[in-house]
Amino acid sequence: AQSVAQPEDQVNVAEGNPLTVKCTYSVSENPYLFWYVQYPNRGLQFLLKYITGDNLVKGSYGFEAEFNKSQTSFHLKKPSALVSDSALYFCAVRPRGSQGNLIFGKGTKLSVKP
Amino acid sequence: GAGVSQSPSNKVTEKGKDVELRCDPISGHTALYWYRQSLGQGLEFLIYFQGNSAPDKSGLPSDRFSAERTGGSVSTLTIQRTQQEDSAVYLCASSPVGGSNQPQHFGDGTRLSIL
Repeated sequence: AQSVAQPEDQVNVAEGNPLTVKCTYSVSENPYLFWYVQYPNRGLQFLLKYITGDNLVKGSYGFEAEFNKSQTSFHLKKPSALVSDSALYFCAVRPRGSQGNLIFGKGTKLSVKP
Repeated sequence: GAGVSQSPSNKVTEKGKDVELRCDPISGHTALYWYRQSLGQGLEFLIYFQGNSAPDKSGLPSDRFSAERTGGSVSTLTIQRTQQEDSAVYLCASSPVGGSNQPQHFGDGTRLSIL
């Protein structure tokens, strides 16, 4: 079965420190990979995606993600966390041969404390 | 520009009633998706529309759930004879082309509560 795993329900970081939110996937085809952020009572906002090429992808709000094919991982990173980064983060994949929906992880709550 | 619009933002109803949730996608987007987000869970795919093609209904959890998309634009998700386990946030998303590397753009969702 195709799936996405976000092993941490919550990540706590001090403001100014680097952050990592982990994601691993299991899909049958080389997937497209996405990260989304959700603030309270809002929909999901697109942060970044990996299609092909450079394994380090840069996205919105200073976030970046590193694709690792051998480990089937796509971890989200930011060099210096802000309190305003506190939100729910979702990793999602779509197999290249598929049509339609994204497969989402269960989400990781990021809490950045001053 | 206008994003994906969903209405109502909140809906409270009694068990056994029917509900209709509406989604207005971004103008020109041919692909439209419905997802369900339950507390502590990820997003569960429900149904996908792409242009005039037959929708992918593989995610609908029961025959109480149905959806339609009129004129390739607005979509309505209908839940008949609601049950308490239907309580969730229902999210709609659209994208320019389905089955591609394009990200999906989400509305703010409808929070459905079944009493």
